[in-house]
Amino acid sequence: GAVVSQHPSRVICKSGTSVKIECRSLDFQATTMFWYRQFPKQSLMLMATSNEGSKATYEQGVEKDKFLINHASLTLSTLTVTSAHPEDSSFYICSTPSLRDTQPAQYFGPGTRLLVL
Amino acid sequence: DAKTTQPTSMDCAEGRAANLPCNHSTISGNEYVYWYRQIHSQGPQYIIHGLKNNETNEMASLIITEDRKSSTLILPHATLRDTAVYYCIVNKGGSQGNLIFGKGTKLSVKP
Repeated sequence: GAVVSQHPSRVICKSGTSVKIECRSLDFQATTMFWYRQFPKQSLMLMATSNEGSKATYEQGVEKDKFLINHASLTLSTLTVTSAHPEDSSFYICSTPSLRDTQPAQYFGPGTRLLVL
Repeated sequence: DAKTTQPTSMDCAEGRAANLPCNHSTISGNEYVYWYRQIHSQGPQYIIHGLKNNETNEMASLIITEDRKSSTLILPHATLRDTAVYYCIVNKGGSQGNLIFGKGTKLSVKP
């Protein structure tokens, strides 16, 4: 199956700074990638759908100007948390959808733990 | 909202079979049943999926009722490393949109 990596695995930053998280599809060309967020003891919630070569689609309640998504190539999508605040501290996970019904619906990255002080 | 309901938590003795139920009474004819699990502080891991036939792989078995309104994930010989949150998700598969995660079942495998 496809392998998805994320970098960094964890990051600590000061309030007001911006943080970039990379999601790479290592052996699979992904025109679409999904970004999820997971707060402690809660389930994954979709934030946005990243589309290669076009604008991302954001879920209701997710600020597109705060969570900037760039999908410049078929193997890389980036999520930038701008002017991060403590309430943005969370576990951010990306995924790529498979192309076949015989495969998992999505392949997930290992996640990035963000802590904003 | 998630289209599935699962028990909040379950315990299982190490070495015994773990049977995790899931109700998906509103599943449509072209939707698959997917099972993922999430070990603490990791991304979700795919386990198995099926449409209407029972499925088995090296990790688990999936039993789907004939009416497809419920299913059971079976871990035949649970180990301590199987302790995780298990998510049952219905989806059309492929690139057919995002996966909607419910709260899942927290499985605790005890020695």
